Amino acid sequence: EAQVTQNPRYLITVTGKKLTVTCSQNMNHEYMSWYRQDPGLGLRQIYYSMNVEVTDKGDVPEGYKVSRKEKRNFPLILESPSPNQTSLYFCASSDRDSNSPLHFGNGTRLTVT
Amino acid sequence: AQSVTQPDIHITVSEGASLELRCNYSYGATPYLFWYVQSPGQGLQLLLKYFSGDTLVQGIKGFEAEFKRSQSSFNLRKPSVHWSDAAEYFCAVAAGYSSASKIIFGSGTRLSIRP
Repeated sequence: EAQVTQNPRYLITVTGKKLTVTCSQNMNHEYMSWYRQDPGLGLRQIYYSMNVEVTDKGDVPEGYKVSRKEKRNFPLILESPSPNQTSLYFCASSDRDSNSPLHFGNGTRLTVT
Repeated sequence: AQSVTQPDIHITVSEGASLELRCNYSYGATPYLFWYVQSPGQGLQLLLKYFSGDTLVQGIKGFEAEFKRSQSSFNLRKPSVHWSDAAEYFCAVAAGYSSASKIIFGSGTRLSIRP
């Protein structure tokens, strides 16, 4: 089954404790992206990657890191999480073709206390 | 810069009634436009998209949307809603040569269905 898998689904952590949210897709997509969803703000792009070893900042990259060492994986790293990073995070992937839709994971709900 | 406005935060309609969700965009060139639906606890699923050609596009689950350049709008419609349509709906606009490179989402409209 074609899917984007994020782990974990729920995460509660404390300020300053490094964490990684994993994202993996099995569709051989070149493009992957991370979004955060906050009430009243919709989805805002954090980082995206057009291919292996190619990443770029989205609209809200501060406090986040990503890497793209393999085509299928695109982890999101919070080196020193803060309470303002409490949010619902989505990973998405697609072909680079302009007619390809984004395929989303089911989300990771992060709470930073 | 491109932007998307969904003026209605929350809409409630009766089951069987018609639905229209509003979306206005701002973009200097011909936009790529999308509607996504998010069911509780799920990621977003594409309902339909507009790139060019016929301005009335059909999507999944009986939804359609009409691109009106003069009004900078891309409103989503459904003639008769079902209880399973209760969800949050996001309009999005993309720019650049590849729609995957930069997509801006609206803030969403939550749809409730009255039995």
